[in-house]
Amino acid sequence: AQKITQTQPGMFVQEKEAVTLDCTYDTSDQSYGLFWYKQPSSGEMIFLIYQGSYDEQNATEGRYSLNFQKARKSANLVISASQLGDSAMYFCAMRESRETSGSRLTFGEGTQLTVNP
Amino acid sequence: AAGVIQSPRHLIKEKRETATLKCYPIPRHDTVYWYQQGPGQDPQFLISFYEKMQSDKGSIPDRFSAQQFSDYHSELNMSSLELGDSALYFCASSYWGSSYNEQFFGPGTRLTVL
Repeated sequence: AQKITQTQPGMFVQEKEAVTLDCTYDTSDQSYGLFWYKQPSSGEMIFLIYQGSYDEQNATEGRYSLNFQKARKSANLVISASQLGDSAMYFCAMRESRETSGSRLTFGEGTQLTVNP
Repeated sequence: AAGVIQSPRHLIKEKRETATLKCYPIPRHDTVYWYQQGPGQDPQFLISFYEKMQSDKGSIPDRFSAQQFSDYHSELNMSSLELGDSALYFCASSYWGSSYNEQFFGPGTRLTVL
């Protein structure tokens, strides 16, 4: 069974500073994918970044980067130069690999990030 | 760019009534997923379809059923609604041939059962 743990229910950061949101996972699969999603107060789920279990390089997408430590089973999201619009709930999620499409995402409990001016 | 469309966006029903939620995936996407997010909770996977066949099944109650049609849109049918079914229901879609097979979420349907 998969499990995603986000130990920070809430985080605060000053505008323009960097912040790290923690995510650890537990799986016996060798092949899996890790995702981060952002959910603003309006409710939509926005895909941010992806890391494959076999990827040797840490994923980066603009101001988002993923600190992937496979041996420690952690996939922390780093947001650089925080903006007020980054205030939202952030979910870490994992997908096991399958032969066909349709594999579920298993989500962590989420971290509520607040960016202060 | 086109996004996942869900309808209706808001739905209010009475206990024991029936509801149908619709999802129109991003063009060319071949897979749809349904998730349920209760208040203050993380999304929970319900069911998915790949090329119109059920692909994965999660904690979907027997009172719920879903299918994917020939045009790839999907419907989630919910019967004998209970108060605990009040939640935000997301549909997501993906394309198996994409690099990450990432799931793109729709805006959600907020269901309130009174």
